[in-house]
Amino acid sequence: KAGVTQTPRYLIKTRGQQVTLSCSPISGHRSVSWYQQTPGQGLQFLFEYFSETQRNKGNFPGRFSGRQFSNSRSEMNVSTLELGDSALYLCASSLKGTGWNTEAFFGQGTRLTVV
Amino acid sequence: AQSVTQPDIHITVSEGASLELRCNYSYGATPYLFWYVQSPGQGLQLLLKYFSGDTLVQGIKGFEAEFKRSQSSFNLRKPSVHWSDAAEYFCAVGIMEYGNKLVFGAGTILRVKS
Repeated sequence: KAGVTQTPRYLIKTRGQQVTLSCSPISGHRSVSWYQQTPGQGLQFLFEYFSETQRNKGNFPGRFSGRQFSNSRSEMNVSTLELGDSALYLCASSLKGTGWNTEAFFGQGTRLTVV
Repeated sequence: AQSVTQPDIHITVSEGASLELRCNYSYGATPYLFWYVQSPGQGLQLLLKYFSGDTLVQGIKGFEAEFKRSQSSFNLRKPSVHWSDAAEYFCAVGIMEYGNKLVFGAGTILRVKS
C-alpha cells in the first residue's frame, strides 16, 4: 500500500511570508501528527489531528496551525515565517495516534528554508 | 517530565563488528518504545517497537532491542554491522497522556568504517 506522502519536498520562502505543507496519510489511518526537526532542537511534536479534530498541540507559537480534512489528509500552515522556522517538517500517519501502541509511519518530510 | 536520553551523539564501528546504541527514558507509566532510523534528507523508518510482553524484540534489518524496566533502558543491538547501516538512529517513547505523541531522543549518528 502507498506510504505517507508529503508535498512539496522542498520549499524556499522569505521571512514574513506564510507557507502551507501537505500530508496524505496511509489509507485507513485517521491520525496525522506533525513534527519539526532541526539540528539544534531535534525532533519536536507540533500537533496531532484525528478525524478532523486537533487532539494535541506541542509547545509552538500560534503561527503554527493545521487542519485535517474528511479524507484524513492534513495541512499545516506557518504564518509570518522566521529564519528559525527553517527545518525538516515530518508528518506521521497512524491508526490511533503516535503515542499509542500502534505503529507510526513517517513521510519523507518537507525541507523548508526561510531566507 | 517525559524524556529520552541517547548518550552517544556519534558512534563509529567497523563493518562486521557488533553494535549497541544506548537509550534511557524517563516516563512514569508503562512505556511504548520505538527505534527509528533516518538516512540523510529522508523521513524516519521504524526499526522495531516494544509495547508489552517479551522484553527482547526483533526488528527489521537484523536489529533487536531489549527493554529493561529496572534500568529504564531500551538499547538497540545488531550482531554484525553492514556499511548500509550508516545513518542516524532515534529512540522514542510514546506518550498518551498530556499530548498523545512521540518524544524522541537527540539521536545517534552511526558511522561504519570498512
